[in-house]
Amino acid sequence: DVKVTQSSRYLVKRTGEKVFLECVQDMDHENMFWYRQDPGLGLRLIYFSYDVKMKEKGDIPEGYSVSREKKERFSLILESASTNQTSMYLCASSLDRALVQAFFGQGTRLTVV
Amino acid sequence: DQQVKQNSPSLSVQEGRISILNCDYTNSMFDYFLWYKKYPAEGPTFLISISSIKDKNEDGRFTVFLNKSAKHLSLHIVPSQPGDSAVYFCAAAAGGTSYGKLTFGQGTILTVHP
Repeated sequence: DVKVTQSSRYLVKRTGEKVFLECVQDMDHENMFWYRQDPGLGLRLIYFSYDVKMKEKGDIPEGYSVSREKKERFSLILESASTNQTSMYLCASSLDRALVQAFFGQGTRLTVV
Repeated sequence: DQQVKQNSPSLSVQEGRISILNCDYTNSMFDYFLWYKKYPAEGPTFLISISSIKDKNEDGRFTVFLNKSAKHLSLHIVPSQPGDSAVYFCAAAAGGTSYGKLTFGQGTILTVHP
């Protein structure tokens, strides 16, 4: 079974802090994604990566950056956390371009106070 | 601009009856569609998918129908069970250079009553 693991289930951070959300997948997948889930808005894509050191902006990249130094790890960085970044963050991976089925981690509930 | 829309925020169904969840899309480049199921405090899990070359795909109690001309897909669950209570997201992908990027709808909360 594919396993996508997010480092934290719950996080509470202060406004202005730099926040790192970590995600690791164990199936040698090429593609990795970061989404946020908000009520009434569904899942919105923040950033994705299709190879090591490659990254592409999704639909809502403002206020975020990412890092992919190794194939199995994809980090989401909130440069200066704000209260409107309070959300559920979901990491996902998929095998390659031809296979769109994505496997998700359990999510990180981030609260910015 | 919401390219994938689930216009019903919630649906309530009696156990044993049919659940029908609907999804509309606007981007004609989408050629692959998926349904995901999400329980609280868990990540979404893949349920069923359909390619644009088909109009129906069935897997046990779950069937997805695609109407390309109407840009509409639906998920049928028959018979519905209380364990099906969850948030259901439809998602769409475009081929070519999409890198498997999925565009999701807002989700529909399904509640199946015993």
